[in-house]
Amino acid sequence: DAKTTQPTSMDCAEGRAANLPCNHSTISGNEYVYWYRQIHSQGPQYIIHGLKNNETNEMASLIITEDRKSSTLILPHATLRDTAVYYCIVRVEVGGGNKLTFGTGTQLKVEL
Amino acid sequence: EPEVTQTPSHQVTQMGQEVILRCVPISNHLYFYWYRQILGQKVEFLVSFYNNEISEKSEIFDDQFSVERPDGSNFTLKIRSTKLEDSAMYFCASSDPGTGAGSQYFGPGTRLTVL
Repeated sequence: DAKTTQPTSMDCAEGRAANLPCNHSTISGNEYVYWYRQIHSQGPQYIIHGLKNNETNEMASLIITEDRKSSTLILPHATLRDTAVYYCIVRVEVGGGNKLTFGTGTQLKVEL
Repeated sequence: EPEVTQTPSHQVTQMGQEVILRCVPISNHLYFYWYRQILGQKVEFLVSFYNNEISEKSEIFDDQFSVERPDGSNFTLKIRSTKLEDSAMYFCASSDPGTGAGSQYFGPGTRLTVL
């Protein structure tokens, strides 16, 4: 699986959009970009994933650059409850049973 | 919304004792996983399980560890003889191949403390 690079930490004001970047310059054509988050000591939570098109769900939007070498997770209106470590994971999408490899992620702190 | 559940939430044991951590995955999921997270460290993959057998395991998952799906709903992780370094949060996860194997849903975790 391709390596990813994320900033160690970011701050965001409550109610503003949080834009979390991820670099994955060695991504290959069959690798997807996944985002998870982990609120303090809880289990990781799946947020969103995509291959090359931008994706949106009830939690977030995922913007993937045209060359697929980087992506941005957008939380449109961050709240205090969005304070968490956010992980960008690149992996091949196969039938199942494949592990997730977590890095150190980005610690997002949402403040009043 | 369906969710993965884990019991107990906290387990304290003496070094050398056996422990069994229990998980109930989401009911229509077919792939099951265990991960662990030592305090202050990354989440680490232990094992994945499909069709009643292990499909992948990490170096951490040595002979002291085993997994089982004893019935149609539970998925267990057994550590035969616990060591101090086994102290960690253990997370169970499950996924449905229909929605993507990378979309794994995690339980709240069991905090294992080995004394």
